[in-house]
Amino acid sequence: IAGITQAPTSQILAAGRRMTLRCTQDMRHNAMYWYRQDLGLGLRLIHYSNTAGTTGKGEVPDGYSVSRANTDDFPLTLASAVPSQTSVYFCASSEGPNNSPLHFGNGTRLTVT
Amino acid sequence: AQSVTQLGSHVSVSEGALVLLRCNYSSSVPPYLFWYVQYPNQGLQLLLKYTTGATLVKGINGFEAEFKKSETSFHLTKPSAHMSDAAEYFCAVTGNTGGFKTIFGAGTRLFVKA
Repeated sequence: IAGITQAPTSQILAAGRRMTLRCTQDMRHNAMYWYRQDLGLGLRLIHYSNTAGTTGKGEVPDGYSVSRANTDDFPLTLASAVPSQTSVYFCASSEGPNNSPLHFGNGTRLTVT
Repeated sequence: AQSVTQLGSHVSVSEGALVLLRCNYSSSVPPYLFWYVQYPNQGLQLLLKYTTGATLVKGINGFEAEFKKSETSFHLTKPSAHMSDAAEYFCAVTGNTGGFKTIFGAGTRLFVKA
């Protein structure tokens, strides 16, 4: 079934450690996104990529980095995790134009202790 | 810049009653508007979208929404709630601001009482 695969499903991480959340899509969508979901705040955009080889900052980019080496993969890296990065992280993709809906993965639940 | 405000973090209705979830947006360019639904431990799924044309749009599961430019609103309705509608609902907006960025509201959790 076509879609977005995120890994891991959940993770407990010690503060200060480095962590990469993986995201792969098989729909050949141009655009990909990382959001974090926190209670009462909805989804906030961390980083996005309009096409392979390009990335951009969203609403809350600090402490996170991304790369887009090819169309299918869009990993999110926390260089040195802090407790405030405890959240549920969703990867999404879209065909590209602004009127295209987002397709979401099932999320990664990250706890930083 | 764009923003979305969803009025009411929680809405409770009886089964068979009207569902009304409110969404107001702010956008400096003509907006594209979306409603998504999230069931527990899952990602978001598209319910419906407005891009251009008819201002009343119909989505899946009997939901519909009306784009009202004068009120900057995009409220979600369903004539008769079903127990399976219990979920969290998110309103979202995008616009041609130089990037394909979708901004979400804080979400409204819908409870359906038997």
